[in-house]
Amino acid sequence: AQSVTQLDSHVSVSEGTPVLLRCNYSSSYSPSLFWYVQHPNKGLQLLLKYTSAATLVKGINGFEAEFKKSETSFHLTKPSAHMSDAAEYFCVVTDAGNNRKLIWGLGTSLAVNP
Amino acid sequence: DTGVSQDPRHKITKRGQNVTFRCDPISEHNRLYWYRQTLGQGPEFLTYFQNEAQLEKSRLLSDRFSAERPKGSFSTLEIQRTEQGDSAMYLCASSLGQGTQETQYFGPGTRLLVL
Repeated sequence: AQSVTQLDSHVSVSEGTPVLLRCNYSSSYSPSLFWYVQHPNKGLQLLLKYTSAATLVKGINGFEAEFKKSETSFHLTKPSAHMSDAAEYFCVVTDAGNNRKLIWGLGTSLAVNP
Repeated sequence: DTGVSQDPRHKITKRGQNVTFRCDPISEHNRLYWYRQTLGQGPEFLTYFQNEAQLEKSRLLSDRFSAERPKGSFSTLEIQRTEQGDSAMYLCASSLGQGTQETQYFGPGTRLLVL
């Protein structure tokens, strides 16, 4: 069965420093992978998605993620954190044979310190 | 703005009352999803429509919950005889496309508090 593991429940960085949010997945086939962001009391916004094209995916707000099949990872990075990046981030994989069903990680809370 | 919209954004109700939420998907998106999200958790799938047909329901969706999408456009989610455990954020998402091209776009959610 497919699963997603976000390796850190909380990450704290200083403004202007790099961001790394880690995600590992398990899947018996080539899945689609997504990162969504949720600001406090807001809905979910799609940051980026991987769908078997380029392994390095660029998203909105300067975020990018690299699909590494050998490591079953899809880590999210940003070179320089901004205060507005403070939010909850979810790594998501689609279910094998059912691309409508999303398998969610538990989320990583990102804090950005001034 | 042509994104997914939800109404109301917040709802406070007393236990035992009925509530109804509305979701307007992105225009021409044929698929519509409802999720529930409790504090500190990721979204949990509730139900899914393709056009007006409700094709899948989670076992989380008890008999007190009903969803409709009568004309294949907007959808409503009704909770009857609300319980305190129903307090959560209810999220709607819509999508267009098949296979690896499908991406779900989420609305801002309706936050329900049952007193």
